[in-house]
Amino acid sequence: TQLLEQSPQFLSIQEGENLTVYCNSSSVFSSLQWYRQEPGEGPVLLVTVVTGGEVKKLKRLTFQFGDARKDSSLHITAAQPGDTGLYLCAGSTDSWGKLQFGAGTQVVVTP
Amino acid sequence: DTGVSQDPRHKITKRGQNVTFRCDPISEHNRLYWYRQTLGQGPEFLTYFQNEAQLEKSRLLSDRFSAERPKGSFSTLEIQRTEQGDSAMYLCASSPFISDGLYNSPLHFGNGTRLTVT
Repeated sequence: TQLLEQSPQFLSIQEGENLTVYCNSSSVFSSLQWYRQEPGEGPVLLVTVVTGGEVKKLKRLTFQFGDARKDSSLHITAAQPGDTGLYLCAGSTDSWGKLQFGAGTQVVVTP
Repeated sequence: DTGVSQDPRHKITKRGQNVTFRCDPISEHNRLYWYRQTLGQGPEFLTYFQNEAQLEKSRLLSDRFSAERPKGSFSTLEIQRTEQGDSAMYLCASSPFISDGLYNSPLHFGNGTRLTVT
């Protein structure tokens, strides 16, 4: 059973469209991190959300942490081909800070 | 910028052989993680270290897998008697661990070692 459930698994859109990726859990997290991974490379951190209800913006990317700190979303406005990649959320629920990842959402943006 | 380095980048081996991978973390990072990733999936936790101490090993990991971080710097992951199901990307990551209870430190990943077992 996955600690973090991501949806959808796959998303294909045209350049200029908007998209939202979700990360859900029944567990409470002290923080959640979002990463993007491109083929043949390791994941790269996009953002960390810490406070329930927090919203962070990174250019055209908007990240939200749920009030109960059990879920998070990533919204991309006016997607570009360079946004193509595997988007991963990660969090820790134990006292040692072990990070576990969701299965990821593969986003493909076509010109 | 000396990021996380993994060696080799690719490894092809025959079933039953042993393989060893190396990870050199960012020098000031005391946490080191190993993950396994199959195509289109998220990284699956294998084990992690704080300095030289191995804090946890995934219960999904068989006894054929062993990891070490002898001096709290580089780490090795060994797989004995490889099986075709071991074929995957093996990712190493490091982070500074700050014991403030918030676990906000980001992971810095290497580009992985892709293992193919034939």
